[in-house]
Amino acid sequence: AQKITQTQPGMFVQEKEAVTLDCTYDTSDQSYGLFWYKQPSSGEMIFLIYQGSYDEQNATEGRYSLNFQKARKSANLVISASQLGDSAMYFCALTGYMNTGFQKLVFGTGTRLLVSP
Amino acid sequence: DVKVTQSSRYLVKRTGEKVFLECVQDMDHENMFWYRQDPGLGLRLIYFSYDVKMKEKGDIPEGYSVSREKKERFSLILESASTNQTSMYLCASSWAGQNYEQYFGPGTRLTVT
Repeated sequence: AQKITQTQPGMFVQEKEAVTLDCTYDTSDQSYGLFWYKQPSSGEMIFLIYQGSYDEQNATEGRYSLNFQKARKSANLVISASQLGDSAMYFCALTGYMNTGFQKLVFGTGTRLLVSP
Repeated sequence: DVKVTQSSRYLVKRTGEKVFLECVQDMDHENMFWYRQDPGLGLRLIYFSYDVKMKEKGDIPEGYSVSREKKERFSLILESASTNQTSMYLCASSWAGQNYEQYFGPGTRLTVT
């Protein structure tokens, strides 16, 4: 079975600083994907970034980058130059499979990020 | 822009009532999902549908059923609501195939009293 672990329940960062949100995973699949989502207080989950297990380069999307270390089974999210609007819950998710072979996402418990002025 | 909408943002129901949560997506996605989100537990998959009238149980299907009569609409049904079903319910949709991101609706916060 797939498992995602986010060990930081809460993180604080000052505006304009960089922050790393930790995510480790466990899977026996050879091919898999890792996703990060942001959930502001409004409740909607917003897709941020994706990394495939066979991608050689770390994924980047604007101020977001994914520090993918396959041997360590970690997929940390790095947010550069934090903004007040980055304050939200952040979820790491790993692809898994249902018994019927359809793909699903397995989510971590989330990290709440608070950006202060 | 992908749009996933849910029928209610907040809902209060009594124990034993039948509850319908509706989700509509406008991107012609094949896959649709229902999750519940609880503090400290993250998101857990309740049910998944990969086509009209087709469904698969997720990790916590007990006490829930679903209906997908049209491609764009996926309904979650609580046959007899109980207090332990008080939660945030999130609907999502995605393309079929591997490793596509899921697009989420705004969520429905359901309270069962």
